[in-house]
Amino acid sequence: EVQLVESGEGLVQPGSSMKLSCVASGFTFSNYGMNWIRQAPKKGLEWIALIYYDSSSKYYADSVKGRFTISRDNSKNTLYLEMNSLRSEDTAMYYCAKSGPQWTFDYWGQGVMVTVSS
Amino acid sequence: DTVLTQSPALAVSPGERVSISCRASEGVNSYMHWYQQKPGQQPKLLIYKASNLASGVPARFSGSGSGTDFTLTIDPVEADDTATYFCQQSWNDPRTFGGGTKLELK
Repeated sequence: EVQLVESGEGLVQPGSSMKLSCVASGFTFSNYGMNWIRQAPKKGLEWIALIYYDSSSKYYADSVKGRFTISRDNSKNTLYLEMNSLRSEDTAMYYCAKSGPQWTFDYWGQGVMVTVSS
Repeated sequence: DTVLTQSPALAVSPGERVSISCRASEGVNSYMHWYQQKPGQQPKLLIYKASNLASGVPARFSGSGSGTDFTLTIDPVEADDTATYFCQQSWNDPRTFGGGTKLELK
């Protein structure tokens, strides 16, 4: 069974930094691209970052480019999201998601809440 | 970015057929996918590439469309289908989602 378990939830002040982790199991992590997707309260979904299976390529949404960094450690089956210069508009539930067929997101973690507020 | 437009909400009775629409601001070929999100849960992939059922998804769910207009159909609707349904395109970068259609049962 595929499982994705995020951690790193918390409340931080604007301008600060935070790092999220996502531990994967139930599939060969090193064979798949991985993503971070967020959902602001009562809002829709926003894809924010993709990393290829071998970390050879990384892509970001314009809203987070230059502030967020996606990375992975295939030896630990773990995906990361380093978030810097956080803003109130970054407040959201953050999900890690496995890349699926036709560039879908076929498995999602349960999500972690990030709140940016003074 | 490709904007995906969905109706905000629908209400149907169990046993009925419901169609949920998604319109793209530009063509996405057949690279439209559908997700179900129940309250308090993460999204779940239902349909990929317009009409392909994801693993483990009941055959009551089906998808159709190409270009800019797509439809998710549930027939028959069951009480457990109460959820928000999102479309997502992967033809144009960045990948984008629709605003979601909240399905309520009468």
